[in-house]
Amino acid sequence: GESVGLHLPTLSVQEGDNSIINCAYSNSASDYFIWYKQESGKGPQFIIDIRSNMDKRQGQRVTVLLNKTVKHLSLQIAATQPGDSAVYFCAENIGGGSTLGRLYFGRGTQLTVWP
Amino acid sequence: ETGVTQTPRHLVMGMTNKKSLKCEQHLGHNAMYWYKQSAKKPLELMFVYSLEERVENNSVPSRFSPECPNSSHLFLHLHTLQPEDSALYLCASSHGLAGGGEQYFGPGTRLTVT
Repeated sequence: GESVGLHLPTLSVQEGDNSIINCAYSNSASDYFIWYKQESGKGPQFIIDIRSNMDKRQGQRVTVLLNKTVKHLSLQIAATQPGDSAVYFCAENIGGGSTLGRLYFGRGTQLTVWP
Repeated sequence: ETGVTQTPRHLVMGMTNKKSLKCEQHLGHNAMYWYKQSAKKPLELMFVYSLEERVENNSVPSRFSPECPNSSHLFLHLHTLQPEDSALYLCASSHGLAGGGEQYFGPGTRLTVT
């Protein structure tokens, strides 16, 4: 069954504010997590990833935080822009050396940025 | 552009039709995937191919038949579909399977079954 979920289906923020999108997972064996962004009419696009041996990873305007104690993942977007409006998915891989690149996706959060 | 292309982008077919979806990746990857994306549901993994060999069939009905003739191309053959099969079908590719890793998605084919 689905093991990855999101706390909020929608999030609206004002341009320039910071956005935080949350994700919960239930499988302790998950060792790799990815955030994807999907704009209307397009396929999911990789944003940032993090492995379970890390707590935080930063990219350009984005930060992913991983709290393995409570099985929680978050994506922080700094200075949110209208172009950030999209659906954001978290995905987990239950690896541990598995040879299958199976990603479990959450339902997604629709981020809307208004001026 | 992600380096993964899909054709057609839109497809409308009747329940008695036979059609095929095509995916091509230009990234030198050796693993390819088919996903189904329905409204209000998470992405569902359908098939996984590694080095042209199917390594996973995620309980997909036989009216969906994948084909991977080489590491750059992936097809999904459709026949006698049902209206509930209407969805966005996404193809993805990755360097390999071990330990997960970033999957690159195509733009998808929007399928409507009438």
